[in-house]
Amino acid sequence: QQQVKQSPQSLIVQKGGISIINCAYENTAFDYFPWYQQFPGKGPALLIAIRPDVSEKKEGRFTISFNKSAKQFSLHIMDSQPGDSATYFCAVHTGGFKTIFGAGTRLFVKA
Amino acid sequence: DGGITQSPKYLFRKEGQNVTLSCEQNLNHDAMYWYRQDPGQGLRLIYYSQIVNDFQKGDIAEGYSVSREKKESFPLTVTSAQKNPTAFYLCASSIGGRGTFYGYTFGSGTRLTVV
Repeated sequence: QQQVKQSPQSLIVQKGGISIINCAYENTAFDYFPWYQQFPGKGPALLIAIRPDVSEKKEGRFTISFNKSAKQFSLHIMDSQPGDSATYFCAVHTGGFKTIFGAGTRLFVKA
Repeated sequence: DGGITQSPKYLFRKEGQNVTLSCEQNLNHDAMYWYRQDPGQGLRLIYYSQIVNDFQKGDIAEGYSVSREKKESFPLTVTSAQKNPTAFYLCASSIGGRGTFYGYTFGSGTRLTVV
């Protein structure tokens, strides 16, 4: 079974700091690498995504860094805010209908 | 506003009972999905449907059934054969899985508890 390994499981960051969450995937032809944000009791929401033809994508305070050769990608949250406290999931998607999710990272931003 | 509506938000099931979770979307998306979320685990795919009157098993389909009679609707039935149904169930949709994929839109979920 293909897996996506996400780390850390939990993360505490001071307000204004940088939050970094990492994901590593196994050797398969994935073509879409999203990050989802989930608040308690809610469904996940697509936060930012990248395709394998670029190494970095930035949207506001959120950046994805993608290392195709290492089969790793990461989410960076700059100037972290208490409102960013949530669970974050990475995922990898193949052509077709297959998406594999990481186990999630619980982020807490201290005010 | 376009989106996915799941109901009910909370559901309690007695032993041996079948229950049905509702999922409706007004995004005009072709593909719809059901995921199960357990604490500390990623989302696991139960069933998905690419078009009306067609659906495929996901990784954990045993004890579940679905139908897709309308493009907008994709209900999930949790049968008595599902021995550990307590979980958070998420319905999702996408423009299409094949070709260019743009990620999922998720509903707000249904929390199912066995009593």
